[in-house]
Amino acid sequence: ETGVTQSPTHLIKTRGQQVTLRCSSQSGHNTVSWYQQALGQGPQFIFQYYREEENGRGNFPPRFSGLQFPNYSSELNVNALELDDSALYLCASSYAGSNWEQYFGPGTRLTVT
Amino acid sequence: QQPVQSPQAVILREGEDAVINCSSSKALYSVHWYRQKHGEAPVFLMILLKGGEQKGHEKISASFNEKKQQSSLYLTASQLSYSGTYFCGTPEMDSNYQLIWGAGTKLIIKP
Repeated sequence: ETGVTQSPTHLIKTRGQQVTLRCSSQSGHNTVSWYQQALGQGPQFIFQYYREEENGRGNFPPRFSGLQFPNYSSELNVNALELDDSALYLCASSYAGSNWEQYFGPGTRLTVT
Repeated sequence: QQPVQSPQAVILREGEDAVINCSSSKALYSVHWYRQKHGEAPVFLMILLKGGEQKGHEKISASFNEKKQQSSLYLTASQLSYSGTYFCGTPEMDSNYQLIWGAGTKLIIKP
């Protein structure tokens, strides 16, 4: 059974650019949540996808968007990058109905200069 | 609204006990606990559900006081491997497990 994987591991972008982060869910999981974690802070919920539909969204602007594919992998897209977008981006997969225990990937460290 | 964790940090000697608290200003239907080691992803520890049910993988105990809207995580006879930052998460809504996380409690265990 493979765990949650994310790519890339690290990324450096310039302000105003666009970025796509990828996440492969753990086998058998149908829900993916994305989080932003600034240094020394707890994760902040961005949004969640269940069966390819957005299932909820945190307090993030529309330039943060996502997709979930039929194999339950997912993408996080961020347009018009700002310096404050620099953070660790975590995805977590879970199976709806299992009390939503979440399994996290190792994260993508995004630096915006 | 973000749950409040206390203390912010604690330093222990190996074998000592620790209690980490998580409080919310709104009614709690469940509390999720995770541990994150430096440079690693958060790892699930336990879910406490309304009614007293607990689901967890590790030999870590916790309490859930619905009336006081708080949960406490008990780490007894701490081991070096317990070091890390502990986060509690509470669902945004009673039937939705989109977690709102506390700021974390950093636990340092010294030999």
